[in-house]
Amino acid sequence: DQQVKQNSPSLSVQEGRISILNCDYTNSMFDYFLWYKKYPAEGPTFLISISSIKDKNEDGRFTVFLNKSAKHLSLHIVPSQPGDSAVYFCAASGSGGSNYKLTFGKGTLLTVNP
Amino acid sequence: NAGVTQTPKFQVLKTGQSMTLQCAQDMNHEYMSWYRQDPGMGLRLIHYSVGAGITDQGEVPNGYNVSRSTTEDFPLRLLSAAPSQTSVYFCASSYSMRVESPLHFGNGTRLTVT
Repeated sequence: DQQVKQNSPSLSVQEGRISILNCDYTNSMFDYFLWYKKYPAEGPTFLISISSIKDKNEDGRFTVFLNKSAKHLSLHIVPSQPGDSAVYFCAASGSGGSNYKLTFGKGTLLTVNP
Repeated sequence: NAGVTQTPKFQVLKTGQSMTLQCAQDMNHEYMSWYRQDPGMGLRLIHYSVGAGITDQGEVPNGYNVSRSTTEDFPLRLLSAAPSQTSVYFCASSYSMRVESPLHFGNGTRLTVT
């Protein structure tokens, strides 16, 4: 039973446009969400996070939106750059807020075309 | 400051062989963990440690052993490799086990079991 779903395996956008990566979850106990970015042959790196007490968090070109009623979060990248091309993983924490309770989605491959 | 270092980068084993995947971090992080990433799947937690001398099982622990004798090192042992253990393995650490403390990942070990 997949509790964190990234339904788009891949996404392609033009440089300078907005990239929107989506993530849905089924467990209503999830209350903390993170996005990690992964380049080929490297480990994932932390990008941005959001707590369920907020509905938006932004860091530079990256903004995460959380819609608790829809159990949906999205990552917006504006403007997209070729260096943003990577796999993006959505992750959610279960009750207790511990790293060992993190559940990861399968990832979305973002390609930003020059 | 090297962060999280994993060795080796690549390894090929025959069924039944044993080996140890090494992981070391130089950030004085309390929490360390091992994940595996398989095609079409998210990262799955194998084992984790909340401090030296303390380890526990994650989602997919069968076939793997861990120990944490020092803060810095968290090796993963495969006692009798099986083809089902063919995967990319990531070690990750964080300052604390709290989910607000993001994970720092190594660059992975790609293991093939024939």
